[in-house]
Amino acid sequence: AQSVAQPEDQVNVAEGNPLTVKCTYSVSGNPYLFWYVQYPNRGLQFLLKYITGDNLVKGSYGFEAEFNKSQTSFHLKKPSALVSDSALYFCAVRDGRYNQGGKLIFGQGTELSVKP
Amino acid sequence: ETGVTQSPTHLIKTRGQQVTLRCSSQSGHNTVSWYQQALGQGPQFIFQYYREEENGRGNFPPRFSGLQFPNYSSELNVNALELDDSALYLCASTWGTGLTYEQYFGPGTRLTVT
Repeated sequence: AQSVAQPEDQVNVAEGNPLTVKCTYSVSGNPYLFWYVQYPNRGLQFLLKYITGDNLVKGSYGFEAEFNKSQTSFHLKKPSALVSDSALYFCAVRDGRYNQGGKLIFGQGTELSVKP
Repeated sequence: ETGVTQSPTHLIKTRGQQVTLRCSSQSGHNTVSWYQQALGQGPQFIFQYYREEENGRGNFPPRFSGLQFPNYSSELNVNALELDDSALYLCASTWGTGLTYEQYFGPGTRLTVT
C-alpha cells in the first residue's frame, strides 16, 4: 500500500530562519509526490510536485523540496521563513492504481508556526 | 485561484438527514475527486468520477454517493448522516495523467452534523 508520513505534528521557526517540513513515503513503482498548503478555513493550495528529473524541485512562494530516493523522503524547505508562511502543510503521493489519476494519499499534516 | 468552486460554504444538518454538496470544476478536467477532511487530519479519498462514471472509491460506505455532469459540475450526496460525518469536504479536479498530472482543489464545504 502506498503511504506518506509526516513525523512532526508541529514545526516552530523564527522569521528569517530556514525551515524544513519532513515527509517520507512508501510506494510501489515511481513516486509522484506533492506538497500542499492549507490556511485556516480554506481548501488546499498546490505548492510543488515531483514527477521525475531533478531531485530539487522549486515551487510557489519560494518553497522547494528535495527528493531523496535512498531515504524515501521528500522534505519541504524554504531558505528564509515568513510569518505569513504559518499554515498547515500536507505531503501527498498519487495512487498509481487509478489510471485517471484522481486519488492522492495525504499525510496527517504539519502545522508550521513562524514567529516574528 | 484554482477555478474549482464549491457550495455551500457551510452547512448544518441533523443526524439521519441527507445532504448534497456541489462542485464546479474547470472545463476539460474530466476527473473529479471528493475528499473528507476531519478536524486535525489529512484529507481522505472518498471517490472519483471520470466522464460521469465512478471509477474509484476509498473506504467509505455506500451512503456516500456522487454524480458528475457533462458541464464539469458534480455532487456529493450523503444519506443517513452520522455525527462522524462532520468534516470539511473537498472537491478536486484533475488535469492530465502521468507527468502532466495536476490536481486542483476547491475551498471546501464545512459540514456540521448535530
